[in-house]
Amino acid sequence: DAGVTQSPTHLIKTRGQHVTLRCSPISGHKSVSWYQQVLGQGPQFIFQYYEKEERGRGNFPDRFSARQFPNYSSELNVNALLLGDSALYLCASSLAQNGEKLFFGSGTQLSVL
Amino acid sequence: AQSVAQPEDQVNVAEGNPLTVKCTYSVSGNPYLFWYVQYPNRGLQFLLKYITGDNLVKGSYGFEAEFNKSQTSFHLKKPSALVSDSALYFCAVRDVPNRDDKIIFGKGTRLHILP
Repeated sequence: DAGVTQSPTHLIKTRGQHVTLRCSPISGHKSVSWYQQVLGQGPQFIFQYYEKEERGRGNFPDRFSARQFPNYSSELNVNALLLGDSALYLCASSLAQNGEKLFFGSGTQLSVL
Repeated sequence: AQSVAQPEDQVNVAEGNPLTVKCTYSVSGNPYLFWYVQYPNRGLQFLLKYITGDNLVKGSYGFEAEFNKSQTSFHLKKPSALVSDSALYFCAVRDVPNRDDKIIFGKGTRLHILP
């Protein structure tokens, strides 16, 4: 079975641009969460979507947005990129909204120059 | 607000020796506690969880963790370390009243197993 897949794996952008990151959950998983991991830190919760609805939001500015599609895949959008947005963005899926176990993708490494 | 503390940035252990990676937590309700491991250029992999029941939880790759409510700790342990255990380990907590998957991670502890 395929795990959580994220694309692209690496991305280089300049300040002010916007970016779209994509995530496909494990087949049958209806919940997708997004995390930001800055170098040297633990993952920080950004969003959780379940059944195409936002069910949780972390302490991130409105420049960050996301959505979940009918096939449960998800996109994370970041507008007006800042240097500080450079990080590894991780997507995780789980069976239920309050799933007891998250399955993580390998992440998208975003560099903002 | 929920939080997790991993007091050690790095832990060095000789191969074959027991290892412990420390974690303490703070939640308003009852905690769900987790350990995840991250290998270079990879996402996080689930190791084990504590939801309820026996305070000693066994997980993948021979790891175990002990839930101590009075000390609000959830230390990760392994009786005999392997070089392949070298990785970045994250403790995480979810506050049970939360209905979402918001899991708070610690900053991580890098484990070095010395041959």
